[in-house]
Amino acid sequence: DAGVIQSPRHEVTEMGQEVTLRCKPISGHDYLFWYRQTMMRGLELLIYFNNNVPIDDSGMPEDRFSAKMPNASFSTLKIQPSEPRDSAVYFCASSLGTASLSGNTIYFGEGSWLTVV
Amino acid sequence: AQSVTQPDIHITVSEGASLELRCNYSYGATPYLFWYVQSPGQGLQLLLKYFSGDTLVQGIKGFEAEFKRSQSSFNLRKPSVHWSDAAEYFCAVGGATGTASKLTFGTGTRLQVTL
Repeated sequence: DAGVIQSPRHEVTEMGQEVTLRCKPISGHDYLFWYRQTMMRGLELLIYFNNNVPIDDSGMPEDRFSAKMPNASFSTLKIQPSEPRDSAVYFCASSLGTASLSGNTIYFGEGSWLTVV
Repeated sequence: AQSVTQPDIHITVSEGASLELRCNYSYGATPYLFWYVQSPGQGLQLLLKYFSGDTLVQGIKGFEAEFKRSQSSFNLRKPSVHWSDAAEYFCAVGGATGTASKLTFGTGTRLQVTL
């Protein structure tokens, strides 16, 4: 089975530009997560969805960040306008049920490496 | 609020030597605990997880971890390290209720293996 698929793998953009990161979760998974990884802050949960509905977006750093999940097989994380401090690796992950309640595993994609100059 | 502390930022061991990576957690109820490994340029792969039952948990690649409630710890161990184990290791904690899916990760321990 294909794992969590993210695109682009790498992106370099100029400050002020819009950035859209894409994610295809594992088929059949009903939870989708967006994480951000930086040297300073480690791995942070930004937002997660259950059955395409955003459940908790308290980790989204500010209004410049938005996430959508129009259907069960696709999600986007958008940054508009982007800033240099947004440079990080953004991971998408999915699971069948919550990792804790059902004991199921959260599967991570390989990440989107974003550099804002 | 839940939190995870990995006190060792960087560890170097010789190939064939034993390994222990430390993890301490803070959680107000029964914790669910995880260890993930991240190779350079890759995503995170689950090594093992603890939900209940036997406090010694076996994982993939020969890793094991022991849950010690009295010490709020979940240390990762491997009796004999291979050069391919060089990677970054993350401990994470989640809960059984409410926002259970909000896994909180530690800052990671980078493992270097010398030949």
